[in-house]
Amino acid sequence: KQEVTQIPAALSVPEGENLVLNCSFTDSAIYNLQWFRQDPGKGLTSLLLIQSSQREQTSGRLNASLDKSSGRSTLYIAASQPGDSATYLCAGDDKIIFGKGTRLHILP
Amino acid sequence: GAVVSQHPSRVICKSGTSVKIECRSLDFQATTMFWYRQFPKQSLMLMATSNEGSKATYEQGVEKDKFLINHASLTLSTLTVTSAHPEDSSFYICSARMDPYEQYFGPGTRLTVT
Repeated sequence: KQEVTQIPAALSVPEGENLVLNCSFTDSAIYNLQWFRQDPGKGLTSLLLIQSSQREQTSGRLNASLDKSSGRSTLYIAASQPGDSATYLCAGDDKIIFGKGTRLHILP
Repeated sequence: GAVVSQHPSRVICKSGTSVKIECRSLDFQATTMFWYRQFPKQSLMLMATSNEGSKATYEQGVEKDKFLINHASLTLSTLTVTSAHPEDSSFYICSARMDPYEQYFGPGTRLTVT
């Protein structure tokens, strides 16, 4: 059964810093991967989708990569802003199995 | 972009009553819809997968007689929490998929059972 682990569980960084969030899977044979953000008490916003044939995706200040051989993905956030404060979730596989998320807090 | 709505956004009900939550894909046809539950400070947990016109597939540990899912059309799935108990209080989120890859999520429904 697929399990997803996210490290770190929480992260606080000063505004402007670049940061990396990590995600790993127990079953490296994942089909595709999505990164989401969730604001407190709200639903999910899809950030990036990496399909099975791809290795990375970029959107603005966000870059996500996927290493299927090791079952790992990273989300890189450049020049962090206070508005980036949220919980970031990665999810993989066909039915989307979520990690527990990384609670990110950007210090102004 | 693809939009998924949920109704209601918040609901409070008394213990023992049933509550229905609707999930609609507004501008696309969803062959598959998923229902998730999220407890405070926990991640989302998949409850069930529903395909239009067929019975839902429930994840292990999810009571199918308690959480009734009906995927009546390609744009509508409903989750009914029957004989609700306070421990059913949670944030319920649906998602819809129109192609093999990406899921689109609804805004969620916060259920409080008193």
